[in-house]
Amino acid sequence: GDSVTQMEGPVTLSEEAFLTINCTYTATGYPSLFWYVQYPGEGLQLLLKATKADDKGSNKGFEATYRKETTSFHLEKGSVQVSDSAVYFCALSEGSGGYQKVTFGTGTKLQVIP
Amino acid sequence: ETGVTQTPRHLVMGMTNKKSLKCEQHLGHNAMYWYKQSAKKPLELMFVYSLEERVENNSVPSRFSPECPNSSHLFLHLHTLQPEDSALYLCASSLEPGGTEAFFGQGTRLTVV
Repeated sequence: GDSVTQMEGPVTLSEEAFLTINCTYTATGYPSLFWYVQYPGEGLQLLLKATKADDKGSNKGFEATYRKETTSFHLEKGSVQVSDSAVYFCALSEGSGGYQKVTFGTGTKLQVIP
Repeated sequence: ETGVTQTPRHLVMGMTNKKSLKCEQHLGHNAMYWYKQSAKKPLELMFVYSLEERVENNSVPSRFSPECPNSSHLFLHLHTLQPEDSALYLCASSLEPGGTEAFFGQGTRLTVV
C-alpha cells in the first residue's frame, strides 16, 4: 500500500537558518503530494501541494518539488523564523473511481530558537 | 479559523462512559473525515463520509461509531473505550473526498482513564 516516510524530529534550528525536512513516498500510481503544518493547539493546515512530477509547490517562503525519479517531496525554506515552529506533515493522495485516499507521514517537529 | 469547529476541545472519560465528539463545517464541503493522531504515529484515517454516506471505514473498532446526519455535521460516538484510545481526534472536511485540500478542526484531546 501507499506510505509516506519523513525524517524524525525534533529538528532544532536557529532563526534565519536553512531548513530541509525530507519526505519520501511509495505509491502505485501518480499521487498528488502535500505538506501540511500543525501549529501548537491547532489542527492541520495545508501549506503547499504539487500534483505532478517536477511541479514545485510554494507558500510562505516554503518550497517543495515533486521528484518522481527519487520519489521525494522535500520541504525547504531559506530562512526560518521562530513563528515557523510547528509540526510538519508530508502526505500523498492517490486513488480512482471518484475517491482518493490521503496517506500522512508521522510528522516532523520543527523548533526555531531566537 | 479554518471553518471546521470541533467540540469539546478536551475530554476525559472512564472506560465505561459513553460520550460523543462533534464536528461542524459551514464551508459547503461534501466530504468529512475523522482522524486519530497519536504520538509518533502517522495520522490514522478512521472514517470518511461523502454526501452523508460512509465511503471508508479503516477497520476501526466498533467502540467508535460515526454519525453524519447532514453534510455539515459529523459525530463520533464513543463507548467502552480503552486507555490506548487516548489521542487527539481530528475532524476534517474537503470539497470532494481526497485529493483536494482538507480543512482540519483543532481537534478533541481525549484521555481515557
